[in-house]
Amino acid sequence: KAGVTQTPRYLIKTRGQQVTLSCSPISGHRSVSWYQQTPGQGLQFLFEYFSETQRNKGNFPGRFSGRQFSNSRSEMNVSTLELGDSALYLCASSSGFLRDPVGNEQFFGPGTRLTVL
Amino acid sequence: SQQGEEDPQALSIQEGENATMNCSYKTSINNLQWYRQNSGRGLVHLILIRSNEREKHSGRLRVTLDTSKKSSSLLITASRAADTASYFCATDPKPGANSKLTFGKGITLSVRP
Repeated sequence: KAGVTQTPRYLIKTRGQQVTLSCSPISGHRSVSWYQQTPGQGLQFLFEYFSETQRNKGNFPGRFSGRQFSNSRSEMNVSTLELGDSALYLCASSSGFLRDPVGNEQFFGPGTRLTVL
Repeated sequence: SQQGEEDPQALSIQEGENATMNCSYKTSINNLQWYRQNSGRGLVHLILIRSNEREKHSGRLRVTLDTSKKSSSLLITASRAADTASYFCATDPKPGANSKLTFGKGITLSVRP
């Protein structure tokens, strides 16, 4: 099976711009979660989508949004970029079935390194 | 706040030695998972231990879980330079409306050749 892919791998933007990141999960996985990782805050959960619906959401401002398509691919959008948004954005997929004991085992993509100037 | 808290924050050992990392958490869990991250890359799933299990092995990895103490440990035996990475524990809460995996801040392991 192909792994989780994320595009682009690197991105440089300026303050005020917006950005869209893409994630393709492992075939058959229906859950996609997004995380932000910074040296100061560590790995922080942004949101999770399951079957095109946002199932969980972290504590991030409304500038951070996402969506999931019928093929389970997901996009994350950040509007009005701030310097503090510079981070590694990780996407992870899982089967997502809560009754499955390993339904929440995450398979991560390589990440998108976003730099905001 | 983070559910899982790892300690130590950083660990430096000689190749061939064993590395022990600990994780404590606060609420009831469905399972606990350990992940590894090489510098600047995505996380790689290492091992999952369910709440009704006490110990699990995978190659040179040994994980224990003590639900009464709400703690877990990851032991890497006969460490290698290639084990140098950050290690994260992640707790999977009991199934419910807010069932998201929550990661700790991670432990930086350096294995000196």
